[in-house]
This record gives sequence, structure tokens and C-alpha cells, in this order.
Amino acid sequence: EAGVAQSPRYKIIEKRQSVAFWCNPISGHATLYWYQQILGQGPKLLIQFQNNGVVDDSQLPKDRFSAERLKGVDSTLKIQPAKLEDSAVYLCASIGGTGDGYNEQFFGPGTRLTVL
Amino acid sequence: SQKIEQNSEALNIQEGKTATLTCNYTNYSPAYLQWYRQDPGRGPVFLLLIRENEKEKRKERLKVTFDTTLKQSLFHITASQPADSATYLCALAGTGGFKTIFGAGTRLFVKA
Repeated sequence: EAGVAQSPRYKIIEKRQSVAFWCNPISGHATLYWYQQILGQGPKLLIQFQNNGVVDDSQLPKDRFSAERLKGVDSTLKIQPAKLEDSAVYLCASIGGTGDGYNEQFFGPGTRLTVL
Repeated sequence: SQKIEQNSEALNIQEGKTATLTCNYTNYSPAYLQWYRQDPGRGPVFLLLIRENEKEKRKERLKVTFDTTLKQSLFHITASQPADSATYLCALAGTGGFKTIFGAGTRLFVKA
């Protein structure tokens, strides 16, 4: 079974530029998460999708961040314009359905973003 | 606000000993509590999940306890090995996996 794929693995941009990250979850996984992990901290949930619908984006800075999951499979996360404090690793995770509605999250390798 | 606290100081133990990591939380009534392992430069890897109505769960050398009254979980690694050296993250989730929050993690070093 292939894991969660993310690209690019690394990205360096200047502040005020735009950047996009891509995630391909495990086949058949309906739920997809995007997290931001700043060095030394735990992952912080940005947005959660159920199929192609958003179920939680309460911590997404909507003035500069956006995300979509077309057709309920791949997802992209965009930052426009980037700030210095956006430097972090952006993690994508997915879960499959279980009888009780929740199970382990499978994480991708992450995209390390550096904003100069 | 919802908060998870894990030991911020690294835990150093000798090979063969039992490592015990603590996770405390406030302002949250989780349906699920999980432990993940994270190695440098990699995404977290799932280890164990325990539900709100469970007290203890085991998997090989791993054991998790969950006390919803104390709002605390303990994570034990018995017969620790240098390969167990990593950062261990505690995570809480609500029903359906909503409102997932992670702690900052505890770094574990196992010395041979």
C-alpha cells in the first residue's frame, strides 16, 4: 500500500511570494488533514476535509492560506502572500474509515518551507 | 483554551529500562488519545490509539494508560532500545477525528 505523498519536499521563497503544496493521500482515504509544524512544536491542525468538503478550518489563517480538495482525492494548500512566520514543515495526513469512525492518521513526509 | 502538556525536557534512559512519558491535557474531553513517534525530518508515525472508555492498551513493548478524571495519559516503552530514540507526540481527537490537537512532544534518548 503506497503511503501519503507530498511535494515538493523543500521550498525556499522570499516573503510576500506565493507557494503551493500538494498532497496525495492513501487511496480510498476519505479524511485528509493539513498541519503546520514549527520547529520544536507539535503539528497544528490547519484544515480537515471529509471527501471534498471542509469540516474544520477554524485555525486556517484565511487571509493568506487556502486549501482545496477537488474530487475528494488530491489536495493543495496555498499561501499567498507568505510571511517569515510561515516557515515550518507542512504535513498532510489521511485516515481511512473504520466501524467506529476514527483510526490512526497516516502522515506524509512533509514539505519544509523556508521564507526569507 | 485546549492544551496538551508533555515533558519539554528530554528523557534520557539506559538501554533495557522502561521509559515513561506523560501527557496532560486541559479544557478538552477527547474521544480518542493517540501516541505517535516522529524521527527528524519525517512525518509522525502512529503507535497506539486508546478510546475514552478504555483504561489501558498494550502493543508489544508499548503500553498506554488513559485517565479521563486526571486528564492524563502515560506511555511506557519496556525493555527500551537505542532504536527507540525519537520524539513522541501525544494527540487528542474528538468524535469522528474532529478537533485533533497535538502536544509538542518529548524527546527520548536511549543509551546503549
